[in-house]
Amino acid sequence: GQSLEQPSEVTAVEGAIVQINCTYQTSGFYGLSWYQQHDGGAPTFLSYNALDGLEETGRFSSFLSRSDSYGYLLLQELQMKDSASYFCAVRVLNNAGNMLTFGGGTRLMVKP
Amino acid sequence: EPEVTQTPSHQVTQMGQEVILRCVPISNHLYFYWYRQILGQKVEFLVSFYNNEISEKSEIFDDQFSVERPDGSNFTLKIRSTKLEDSAMYFCASRGLADAYEQYFGPGTRLTVT
Repeated sequence: GQSLEQPSEVTAVEGAIVQINCTYQTSGFYGLSWYQQHDGGAPTFLSYNALDGLEETGRFSSFLSRSDSYGYLLLQELQMKDSASYFCAVRVLNNAGNMLTFGGGTRLMVKP
Repeated sequence: EPEVTQTPSHQVTQMGQEVILRCVPISNHLYFYWYRQILGQKVEFLVSFYNNEISEKSEIFDDQFSVERPDGSNFTLKIRSTKLEDSAMYFCASRGLADAYEQYFGPGTRLTVT
């Protein structure tokens, strides 16, 4: 099976930088994804790492260390609209198509 | 921009009743998924579907659940005899062949079993 651990809640101020960590245990690991979910909304894709290192997409970056079974999402220049839940999700390669196993989510609250 | 759509947005049903949740995936996508999210909890994988058959299912997806792609556009989740604990948000997602890692989620159907 798979298990993922991430902090349940993080608070930061507007303009700051915040890092959300994720550790995982899984077999058949293929990559780590990050999804954002606003209250009442659907998960939306943010980033994906299959190889070690940092992937940057605008204000958001994601990092993966396969040897440490660890990744993080880095959010820079925080804005109020970034208040949401952030889920790491392990992509497991199976016979057909990459099911995602989600972590419990980190609720980010951005304060003025 | 193409998007996944789901109907209805909210379904209320009595325990023991059958419900069908409907999804229209993005038109050129080939992989389809159902997830559920109990209020305040994490998103849980239910089932994946490819080439007109189930490719993977979780322990949650027991004999009460079934999926179908009745035509070229719809993808449905049926719960035969709903239980109180089936109350949750159900998300459909789809994935194309080219963007092999990004799943596109629909807005969800909130199912309330009374």
